[in-house]
Amino acid sequence: DVKVTQSSRYLVKRTGEKVFLECVQDMDHENMFWYRQDPGLGLRLIYFSYDVKMKEKGDIPEGYSVSREKKERFSLILESASTNQTSMYLCASTLRGWNTEAFFGQGTRLTVV
Amino acid sequence: EDQVTQSPEALRLQEGESSSLNCSYTVSGLRGLFWYRQDPGKGPEFLFTLYSAGEEKEKERLKATLTKKESFLHITAPKPEDSATYLCAVRLANFGNEKLTFGTGTRLTIIP
Repeated sequence: DVKVTQSSRYLVKRTGEKVFLECVQDMDHENMFWYRQDPGLGLRLIYFSYDVKMKEKGDIPEGYSVSREKKERFSLILESASTNQTSMYLCASTLRGWNTEAFFGQGTRLTVV
Repeated sequence: EDQVTQSPEALRLQEGESSSLNCSYTVSGLRGLFWYRQDPGKGPEFLFTLYSAGEEKEKERLKATLTKKESFLHITAPKPEDSATYLCAVRLANFGNEKLTFGTGTRLTIIP
């Protein structure tokens, strides 16, 4: 069974902390994505990566960075967490190509207090 | 500007009452339209991909259709277990850019 695994289901962090969200996929997918999901706003793309050490900004990259040192792992970093980054974070991966569907992790509910 | 709009935002149906969800898009160069189902507290789960106007896909009580401007997800004789948020997403024909752009979803509730 294909799997995208996010390291935490729930996280509570303090304002100003550096936060790491980890995502691992076991499908040998080239593309990996980080989205955040907020009520009324849907899924918004933060960053994506189409290869190891490659990254592209999505629609809302401000306040975030990413790291992809290995093909199977894609990390989202909040350099200095703020309360407006409280959200559900979803990682996804796809094979390269137009006709490939995205597989999602179970999500990380992050609360910044 | 590329846009994906889903309607209605929320829909409550009696068990067995058929209906349709809408996903309209204004994008330049559609490569594919994807439907996902999302249960509370979980990640989206893939349902269908549609590539060209006139195409249809079916799975159990769900049927997805595509025109040049919109897609419909038809639900026939739904059951309570079909309750979920349904998301549509588009992939655009930008070379080297394989990201998916999502709508805000329709929250479907089936009442027994």
